[in-house]
Amino acid sequence: QKEVEQDPGPLSVPEGAIVSLNCTYSNSAFQYFMWYRQYSRKGPELLMYTYSSGNKEDGRFTAQVDKSSKYISLFIRDSQPSDSATYLCAMGVEIQGAQKLVFGQGTRLTINP
Amino acid sequence: DVKVTQSSRYLVKRTGEKVFLECVQDMDHENMFWYRQDPGLGLRLIYFSYDVKMKEKGDIPEGYSVSREKKERFSLILESASTNQTSMYLCASSPRRAANSPLHFGNGTRLTVT
Repeated sequence: QKEVEQDPGPLSVPEGAIVSLNCTYSNSAFQYFMWYRQYSRKGPELLMYTYSSGNKEDGRFTAQVDKSSKYISLFIRDSQPSDSATYLCAMGVEIQGAQKLVFGQGTRLTINP
Repeated sequence: DVKVTQSSRYLVKRTGEKVFLECVQDMDHENMFWYRQDPGLGLRLIYFSYDVKMKEKGDIPEGYSVSREKKERFSLILESASTNQTSMYLCASSPRRAANSPLHFGNGTRLTVT
């Protein structure tokens, strides 16, 4: 079983729709939860990060973490064509002073005008 | 803005060749990483370094080595390239060792081994 599972999609929705991207994980030691966005032919860039259960909002984006269910989500409101990208969840933990970050497979999202 | 620059955007090499992938960051970050990205497998950590001349194996180090002679530069070496090393290679840096320290990625090198 993979430590982090993410539906690879692809996911295609109309402009203005609410998008939900999800990841599950098996390692209860994960302390930090991140979402990276990767545009075509670019490297990933950090979109949001949180370390506790609950919701964190940043503009049209909301990151949700449920540690009891080992489940994280990214919601995008009023989706725009510029949101079209691959979204990667990532989970982190410190082990003996070293950083361990595990990425999901990525979900490819297309917002249609 | 942090800039992580990978020297080549595309590379085509033959089986058995020695391949060097170069990465330079301009923000004096201590930590540097090499990942490979494959469809359906996501990003997998090959090697990382927390200091000059220091290196640590990641999850898939077999067939690779690294060099960090200067703080800003981290090189990935394929000693004898094989077709299963055809992939997108991403270099990243971060300012701290903490797990929540954000990674800053380069735009990747797409390597094809024929």
